[in-house]
Amino acid sequence: AQKVTQAQTEISVVEKEDVTLDCVYETRDTTYYLFWYKQPPSGELVFLIRRNSFDEQNEISGRYSWNFQKSTSSFNFTITASQVVDSAVYFCALSDSWGKFQFGAGTQVVVTP
Amino acid sequence: EPEVTQTPSHQVTQMGQEVILRCVPISNHLYFYWYRQILGQKVEFLVSFYNNEISEKSEIFDDQFSVERPDGSNFTLKIRSTKLEDSAMYFCASSEALHAGVTYNEQFFGPGTRLTVL
Repeated sequence: AQKVTQAQTEISVVEKEDVTLDCVYETRDTTYYLFWYKQPPSGELVFLIRRNSFDEQNEISGRYSWNFQKSTSSFNFTITASQVVDSAVYFCALSDSWGKFQFGAGTQVVVTP
Repeated sequence: EPEVTQTPSHQVTQMGQEVILRCVPISNHLYFYWYRQILGQKVEFLVSFYNNEISEKSEIFDDQFSVERPDGSNFTLKIRSTKLEDSAMYFCASSEALHAGVTYNEQFFGPGTRLTVL
């Protein structure tokens, strides 16, 4: 069975601080996909990144970076120099080869000015 | 840019009533999905649909739920007799094809329909 654990329920930071969101996953599949989504107060799911199980390269996109470590089954997400607009719930998700998503419980990020 | 659309954005209904949530997937997509998110909780998989039939469903997707692709563009989720606990955001998603090895076919999510059952 697949499982995604986001142990942090809420993280509060002051603007310009860095924030790291943890994601640990479990799967028996050798081929799988990992994602991060942002859910602002308006409710939609905003796609941030996808990683497949064969690609352990870390990625940086602007102020966002991701650290994928298969050895620890983790796919952590860091926001550098956080801004108020980063305030949202962030979901880590795992997909198998059949497209079925398993989402984590989400981490609420609150960035205060 | 093509996108998945959902209507209505918010639906209010009385307990026991039937509701139909509508989705228009991206036009060349073949795989369709419904997810549910109860307020403050995680997004949960409900059902996947391909070639006019359900390919997988979760334990949440009981006999009260059904899905249909009534024409070439719409994909609907019907809840026969709504309960208070059906109040949630419902997301539709679609993808062009299934994943195949390292070839990924991204699943695109719609903006969601917020269902409120009174």
